[in-house]
Amino acid sequence: GAVVSQHPSRVICKSGTSVKIECRSLDFQATTMFWYRQFPKQSLMLMATSNEGSKATYEQGVEKDKFLINHASLTLSTLTVTSAHPEDSSFYICSARDTTGNLKTEAFFGQGTRLTVV
Amino acid sequence: LAKTTQPISMDSYEGQEVNITCSHNNIATNDYITWYQQFPSQGPRFIIQGYKTKVTNEVASLFIPADRKSSTLSLPRVSLSDTAVYYCLVGDMEAAGNKLTFGGGTRVLVKP
Repeated sequence: GAVVSQHPSRVICKSGTSVKIECRSLDFQATTMFWYRQFPKQSLMLMATSNEGSKATYEQGVEKDKFLINHASLTLSTLTVTSAHPEDSSFYICSARDTTGNLKTEAFFGQGTRLTVV
Repeated sequence: LAKTTQPISMDSYEGQEVNITCSHNNIATNDYITWYQQFPSQGPRFIIQGYKTKVTNEVASLFIPADRKSSTLSLPRVSLSDTAVYYCLVGDMEAAGNKLTFGGGTRVLVKP
């Protein structure tokens, strides 16, 4: 089945620095990818929709200048948390769907990235 | 997007069948019903998907009544490793850009 891979799986950074998280579709092309954030004991919250070759669409309340999304190819989307602060510490998860294959109605999720800002 | 309502938590014992019902009263014609499982510090994992009636795979069954306003995920003979959060999602999966919104999920605890 289709696989979505995230890197890194966990990262610790200092307050004020930026962190980039990569999301790759390994065996299919994804024109659209989705980024979620999840705090402990809570559900996944959609942050933004990443569109290949165009600007991302952000959900209400998500700062686009703080969470930079780049979807430069059909297999890679990146989320950069800029000027990270401790309150940005969270579990970030990406998702993609292979809309051209037999599994087009299934969304695949990456393994997540645990970000800790100290 | 159709909103979903699930029980917050359920406890069960090894070997029992667990049934989780999800309400989605405003489900649209093109919407699929999909269930995901999530373990701590991992991304959600697809369990099963259906549009109507009953769907069964190697890990679960999904029961959908004719009006599609609810669905029930059935996990047969659960084991300790089935302890996880289960999410019911409803959405038009045919559209490439259609986003999936997660509800609260059901935290299932399987006890020995």
